[in-house]
Amino acid sequence: EVQLLESGGGLVQRGGSLRLSCVPFGFTFSTYAMSWVRQAPGKGLEWVSSISGSGGNTYYADSVKGRFTISRDNSKNTLYLQMNSLRAEDTAVYYCAKNRGTFPLYSSLSDWGQGTLVTVSS
Amino acid sequence: QSVLTQPPSVSGAPGQRVTISCTGSSSNIGAAYDVHWYQQLPGTAPKLLIYGNNNRPSGVPDRFSGSKSGTSASLAITGLQAEDEADYYCQSYDSSLNAHVVFGGGTKLTVL
Repeated sequence: EVQLLESGGGLVQRGGSLRLSCVPFGFTFSTYAMSWVRQAPGKGLEWVSSISGSGGNTYYADSVKGRFTISRDNSKNTLYLQMNSLRAEDTAVYYCAKNRGTFPLYSSLSDWGQGTLVTVSS
Repeated sequence: QSVLTQPPSVSGAPGQRVTISCTGSSSNIGAAYDVHWYQQLPGTAPKLLIYGNNNRPSGVPDRFSGSKSGTSASLAITGLQAEDEADYYCQSYDSSLNAHVVFGGGTKLTVL
């Protein structure tokens, strides 16, 4: 059974930084692209970033480009999202998700973590 | 404003059939990029319901089906059940300058 466990969320001041982690279980991590998706309180889903299985290709939403960095350590079986220069509008539940297909931007998200809440105070 | 447009809400009685539309444009659905659908029950993470326009992952009942035509896609739910009450989201890829993965705004399904 696939499981994804996120951690690292919390309360941070505007302009601060936070690093989210996601640890996978039940599949060969290095062979799958991975993504981060967020959901602001009471709002819909917003794609944040994706990374290829090797980590060599990364993709970002315009809203976070230049501030967030996605990375992965396949030797440690961990996905990361480094978030800098945080803004109030970054407040959301952040979900880690496993891509179903090879190319992360076209494929569906077959499995999701439980989410970790990031709150940016002003 | 979402790149993919969904109705904010739909409703139906138990046993009925409902459809949820997802309207895009020539840079996403109309460009033949796949559409995927997710179900989000209250207080839980989203769950993949339909991938690649009309494919169900293992474990998803055949009451759920997807279709695509032109610049739009639809999710159909037949034999509506109380436990289907949830938010539903469509997802695709957009090839325009500043977009990548895009989600619809979501549709709240109420089972009357």
